[in-house]
Amino acid sequence: NAGVTQTPKFQVLKTGQSMTLQCAQDMNHNSMYWYRQDPGMGLRLIYYSASEGTTDKGEVPNGYNVSRLNKREFSLRLESAAPSQTSVYFCASSETGVHQPQHFGDGTRLSIL
Amino acid sequence: QKEVEQNSGPLSVPEGAIASLNCTYSDRGSQSFFWYRQYSGKSPELIMFIYSNGDKEDGRFTAQLNKASQYVSLLIRDSQPSDSATYLCAVNIAGSARQLTFGSGTQLTVLP
Repeated sequence: NAGVTQTPKFQVLKTGQSMTLQCAQDMNHNSMYWYRQDPGMGLRLIYYSASEGTTDKGEVPNGYNVSRLNKREFSLRLESAAPSQTSVYFCASSETGVHQPQHFGDGTRLSIL
Repeated sequence: QKEVEQNSGPLSVPEGAIASLNCTYSDRGSQSFFWYRQYSGKSPELIMFIYSNGDKEDGRFTAQLNKASQYVSLLIRDSQPSDSATYLCAVNIAGSARQLTFGSGTQLTVLP
């Protein structure tokens, strides 16, 4: 059981380049999330998708776009990368419901020069 | 004002001791509380969740919730060096079934 799979695991970009981070889950979860994690700041929510066809902004959405391609896949796009977007990005998924925990992928380590 | 506060540590305990990790939160409407463990360079891994006042035990781990005082804690009994990690507290945002707010984490080191 793969759980939540993220690609790529590592990426180096130059300022101004664009890229898409991919995420897929095989747990049949309705909800999916994108977080970034910076030293000393914990996990911050970028965007989430409560169900297929819906997306909503989280705490730090500026500079990002998302697409919920289908129930399994939720991608995060950086249109014009900036050094401030250097971070570790985690995708997560969960069942619907207030008591449902989120399950995380292995992360993408992104450096923007 | 950060909504979920944790002592960043580092917290050091000797092997076999009880490690106590604390978390306070500001939103009185929060209903679900989660503890994640994160090893260096790895992703967060769910350890415990609790949503009723009182204690919940799972093996060497006990989560304690006090909604009146707005704190949740994690006790690790018989601490092992393999427990050395950062522990993240996460709290659901009232009114949102899906959004969680994470604390910055407490770094725990268990000394052999």
